[in-house]
Amino acid sequence: GQQLNQSPQSMFIQEGEDVSMNCTSSSIFNTWLWYKQDPGEGPVLLIALYKAGELTSNGRLTAQFGITRKDSFLNISASIPSDVGIYFCAGQLSAGSYQLTFGKGTKLSVIP
Amino acid sequence: DVKVTQSSRYLVKRTGEKVFLECVQDMDHENMFWYRQDPGLGLRLIYFSYDVKMKEKGDIPEGYSVSREKKERFSLILESASTNQTSMYLCASSFEGRPWWTFGSGTRLTVV
Repeated sequence: GQQLNQSPQSMFIQEGEDVSMNCTSSSIFNTWLWYKQDPGEGPVLLIALYKAGELTSNGRLTAQFGITRKDSFLNISASIPSDVGIYFCAGQLSAGSYQLTFGKGTKLSVIP
Repeated sequence: DVKVTQSSRYLVKRTGEKVFLECVQDMDHENMFWYRQDPGLGLRLIYFSYDVKMKEKGDIPEGYSVSREKKERFSLILESASTNQTSMYLCASSFEGRPWWTFGSGTRLTVV
């Protein structure tokens, strides 16, 4: 089946640093999503991307949908301790598809 | 605030027991999903349902069954629990045609 390759698998950064993570695939996706999972909780949607090349921000978070529709990145600026968690990318192959394909996640640790 | 509620945060069951994991959503969503989450493997789809009494197998349905008798409730059943089913189980729901999954907080199941 389709796979999303998410990197890096984990990151340790100092508070205040910027963070970048990305997802790539051999398949073309209609929609890309970025989720964050806090420790002990379920994933929460951060950003949804619908158009190739689209750049969207949500506070300190910025995500872009690649021109080829096969990749996406998520940037976090000026990290803070509450950014700790696992970040997942997810792709929807076609509009109305019942399934999302998830990356394996990037575990972010922020050192105060 | 919209919610997906999973009945238990933590469960410990014995090998061979029949286990029921319950999920309720209050958003009138058509679609509901069960995932399991394991370290290094990300989120894997077990079953999903796009309507009452309808169900579809996901990527790893073996050893599981589901029930959806009412629109708001989706149950995951482990007919005879085994130790390799020890995992975090996440329920999610979404509107028909919309790519934004809303997740519950998860049930951490330990089978001993």
